[in-house]
Amino acid sequence: GAVVSQHPSRVICKSGTSVKIECRSLDFQATTMFWYRQFPKQSLMLMATSNEGSKATYEQGVEKDKFLINHASLTLSTLTVTSAHPEDSSFYICSARGQGRDTEAFFGQGTRLTVV
Amino acid sequence: SQQGEEDPQALSIQEGENATMNCSYKTSINNLQWYRQNSGRGLVHLILIRSNEREKHSGRLRVTLDTSKKSSSLLITASRAADTASYFCATVPQGGSEKLVFGKGTKLTVNP
Repeated sequence: GAVVSQHPSRVICKSGTSVKIECRSLDFQATTMFWYRQFPKQSLMLMATSNEGSKATYEQGVEKDKFLINHASLTLSTLTVTSAHPEDSSFYICSARGQGRDTEAFFGQGTRLTVV
Repeated sequence: SQQGEEDPQALSIQEGENATMNCSYKTSINNLQWYRQNSGRGLVHLILIRSNEREKHSGRLRVTLDTSKKSSSLLITASRAADTASYFCATVPQGGSEKLVFGKGTKLTVNP
């Protein structure tokens, strides 16, 4: 299958700082990218959907000013957690899909964010 | 928002046995997909089944879809210890939405 690379895999940051997570599709053009958050032993909660070159569509309850998503190219999307707080500590996973809703999505390996 | 509800939430079986996981969803879908996640890792796509399909096979995996009941099942035959993981169904809703929304997942443990 296609490869989606997500970096960093782990990050620890101080409260009040910002953290950027990158998601790259290495061998296909990702028309659509998804960002998820996953709490321990729970499912993936969709945060936002982004299409290349347009603004992300955020799910209800997700603060777009806190979780900045940029999808500037067909191979790269970034999620920036701004002014991070301990409650933002979580596992963040990106996913990329080519054109068409009938295509499978490929997932990055996730980023474990710990805010201290 | 969560679309799918898997059951059981946890399943423990012996190697060689079959494992069946079910997923129910609420709204009309374009397709339904099953994914696998090993602990603390990303997800791996297993099978995609379209709304006009009823059954699909891939190796030891068999997926069924019943759109009238808004449910799907994933069967893993002749399970192995390496199949131990969490399994999630995800749906793409009908209409213009691009979303891929996940259910709560089933934690499968295959004992050697």
